[in-house]
Amino acid sequence: NAGVTQTPKFQVLKTGQSMTLQCAQDMNHNSMYWYRQDPGMGLRLIYYSASEGTTDKGEVPNGYNVSRLNKREFSLRLESAAPSQTSVYFCASSDGGRPGNTIYFGEGSWLTVV
Amino acid sequence: GEDVEQSLFLSVREGDSSVINCTYTDSSSTYLYWYKQEPGAGLQLLTYIFSNMDMKQDQRLTVLLNKKDKHLSLRIADTQTGDSAIYFCAEGLTGGGNKLTFGTGTQLKVEL
Repeated sequence: NAGVTQTPKFQVLKTGQSMTLQCAQDMNHNSMYWYRQDPGMGLRLIYYSASEGTTDKGEVPNGYNVSRLNKREFSLRLESAAPSQTSVYFCASSDGGRPGNTIYFGEGSWLTVV
Repeated sequence: GEDVEQSLFLSVREGDSSVINCTYTDSSSTYLYWYKQEPGAGLQLLTYIFSNMDMKQDQRLTVLLNKKDKHLSLRIADTQTGDSAIYFCAEGLTGGGNKLTFGTGTQLKVEL
């Protein structure tokens, strides 16, 4: 049972470099999310996609772009990485946009920007 | 605005009960959740409670909700070393598209 799969698991970037975090889910879920986790701050929503073809900003979207490539895949792109983007990134998915639908998380991607 | 707060650390002895507390500010919350994160892993849903309930019990877990005080707690009975993890509460809002607002997380350490 793969669930939510994200790659890469670890990445070190230099300031100004770009990269894309990939995420795929095999549960036929409509909604997908990208969160970042920083010490003492919990998880903060970067972007989400309620359904294929739609994306919306979350709490901390600046410096990021997303693409909902198809129902399975939702990628997060850093165009010009900054040290403030050093964080752990989690992709997640859920069956729908209604409260109570369980949100399933990937295992995380550790990103360091030097 | 949305704000969910938790204490950062809790230490208990194996076999004791653990109580992790959470306060939230948005009165339009419909569901409140507890997630568990083990080291190096993603978040795993433990349980959730609908906002019109006061209590939910699931094996060793008991969730209490005081909607008047906007206070949520998670009690773990007979705490084991395998319960050591970070516990996050989260609230889901009406019309929020199932976007959750997470607390800062409480690190539970279980000592022998």
